[in-house]
Amino acid sequence: GAVVSQHPSRVICKSGTSVKIECRSLDFQATTMFWYRQFPKKSLMLMATSNEGSKATYEQGVEKDKFLINHASLTLSTLTVTSAHPEDSSFYICSARRGDTQYFGPGTRLTVL
Amino acid sequence: KQEVTQIPAALSVPEGENLVLNCSFTDSAIYNLQWFRQDPGKGLTSLLLIQSSQREQTSGRLNASLDKSSGRSTLYIAASQPGDSATYLCAVDSGGYQKVTFGTGTKLQVIP
Repeated sequence: GAVVSQHPSRVICKSGTSVKIECRSLDFQATTMFWYRQFPKKSLMLMATSNEGSKATYEQGVEKDKFLINHASLTLSTLTVTSAHPEDSSFYICSARRGDTQYFGPGTRLTVL
Repeated sequence: KQEVTQIPAALSVPEGENLVLNCSFTDSAIYNLQWFRQDPGKGLTSLLLIQSSQREQTSGRLNASLDKSSGRSTLYIAASQPGDSATYLCAVDSGGYQKVTFGTGTKLQVIP
């Protein structure tokens, strides 16, 4: 089946720094990728839809200037958490659509100290 | 707007017991439904994917069923083991450019 990878799997950073998370579709091209975030004891919520070659579409309430998304190629989307704060600590997961199915990466756990 | 509910939120069973986890969704126009496992502090592991045209999928001790008309899916775990302890999430994919909607999960504990 299709494989989606994320890097890094875990990251710890100091408050105020920026963190980049990569999402790659390993064996297929994806014009659309999705970024989700998991809040404690809550379901995974869609943050934004990443479109190759164009601007990302953000869900209501998600700060586009804080969560920068770049979909520079058909196999790579990046999420940059800028000026991270402890409240940004969370589990971030991406997915890529191939045909009718979304394939999910394993996720990245971000801890901001 | 698709809404996905998982009941129960938590479940504790003795080792060896068969168990059923439930997932219900409000909009039956779906492309597929996935069941995931999430261990504490870890990422998602896809367990089973059921396409909208399918009724069930099986993998080892796991069996997932799908009834689109009633908006339900179940995950059946046979002969549960302590290693099955994790949070189980169902995710409903409405297809196209629509997002996948996740349930809030069922936290399973299998007691040795």
